[in-house]
Amino acid sequence: GAVVSQHPSWVICKSGTSVKIECRSLDFQATTMFWYRQFPKQSLMLMATSNEGSKATYEQGVEKDKFLINHASLTLSTLTVTSAHPEDSSFYICSARAPEGTDTQYFGPGTRLTVL
Amino acid sequence: KQEVTQIPAALSVPEGENLVLNCSFTDSAIYNLQWFRQDPGKGLTSLLLIQSSQREQTSGRLNASLDKSSGRSTLYIAASQPGDSATYLCALNAGNMLTFGGGTRLMVKP
Repeated sequence: GAVVSQHPSWVICKSGTSVKIECRSLDFQATTMFWYRQFPKQSLMLMATSNEGSKATYEQGVEKDKFLINHASLTLSTLTVTSAHPEDSSFYICSARAPEGTDTQYFGPGTRLTVL
Repeated sequence: KQEVTQIPAALSVPEGENLVLNCSFTDSAIYNLQWFRQDPGKGLTSLLLIQSSQREQTSGRLNASLDKSSGRSTLYIAASQPGDSATYLCALNAGNMLTFGGGTRLMVKP
């Protein structure tokens, strides 16, 4: 089946540094990938939609200059949290939309970010 | 804008009980609805996917139904086990994005 990986699975960084999270579709090409954020005991919130070869579409309230998304290939999207602060600490999950003809999204295992 | 509500927010039951998790939504113009399971600190595991034209899907002890006219979906878990303890999320797909409910945290006690 379709597998999506994320790297790293967890990361701890100092306030003010930038952190890059990778999302890969391992056995299929994904023209569209999604980035979600989940705070403790809350549901997932869509941050942005990433389309290969074009700029990401950000949801209202998500700062595009702070959360840089790059989808340079059909199997890789990256989320860079720039100048991270403690309030950015969260669980970040990506998903990849299945190949044409379906609306299924396959989810990565998530990345736990802790900003000290 | 689609709003998805899950009730109850938390549920604790003894092992062996049959239980129902509820998901309601405001916009019936959807492509499909998915139920997910999330274990603490982990990613999502897709449980069942119901297409807009379908009324239910079954997988093992799980059965999910969809009633677009009333804006409701239910996830039925038969003969619950401690290993079923997790957060269950429903998500509506109305095109290019999923809208998630707040989830139901389920605890099945031995």
